[in-house]
Amino acid sequence: QQQVKQSPQSLIVQKGGISIINCAYENTAFDYFPWYQQFPGKGPALLIAIRPDVSEKKEGRFTISFNKSAKQFSLHIMDSQPGDSATYFCAAGGGAQKLVFGQGTRLTINP
Amino acid sequence: EAQVTQNPRYLITVTGKKLTVTCSQNMNHEYMSWYRQDPGLGLRQIYYSMNVEVTDKGDVPEGYKVSRKEKRNFPLILESPSPNQTSLYFCASGILGGGYTFGSGTRLTVV
Repeated sequence: QQQVKQSPQSLIVQKGGISIINCAYENTAFDYFPWYQQFPGKGPALLIAIRPDVSEKKEGRFTISFNKSAKQFSLHIMDSQPGDSATYFCAAGGGAQKLVFGQGTRLTINP
Repeated sequence: EAQVTQNPRYLITVTGKKLTVTCSQNMNHEYMSWYRQDPGLGLRQIYYSMNVEVTDKGDVPEGYKVSRKEKRNFPLILESPSPNQTSLYFCASGILGGGYTFGSGTRLTVV
């Protein structure tokens, strides 16, 4: 079964700290690994994505680390801010068609 | 403005009464998809479409129908809704390798 397992379910981080969310996948055919950010009442929005030919991708305060051999990838949010409080979803798939999502992590950044 | 538009945003209906949730995108994307979001389960794919007249089942297609007669539109049809289809539904569109752009969601309650 094509599953993506995400942890933790919820996370509380102090302002300025590092938020880390982890995901693991099963299907080695997956070649696209995006992270989405969702605010209450809104649809998920693409935050950052990586392909398996690189081990890390950084965009501003957001970094994806990718471990192909372990079939794991993670999102790191540096210098976390209260505005980062949202639900984060990892996903895996083959491009834009059959994208499988993790269960989501509710992140709260305390001021 | 580039966007995915879903209607309605909120819908309360009774068991067995056929309904359609519309979805339209103005980005000329080939790929479109429907997801449902339930607490603790993340986003689960219902159906997706790779182009006009080309659709395929996602992970939870039972009880749903879709059609893709035009590139911009991808309606979701519930021919006989049941209470277990009460959920938050998202339509999304994208291009190969580019991830999905999501609509704002339709909250459906079936009583």
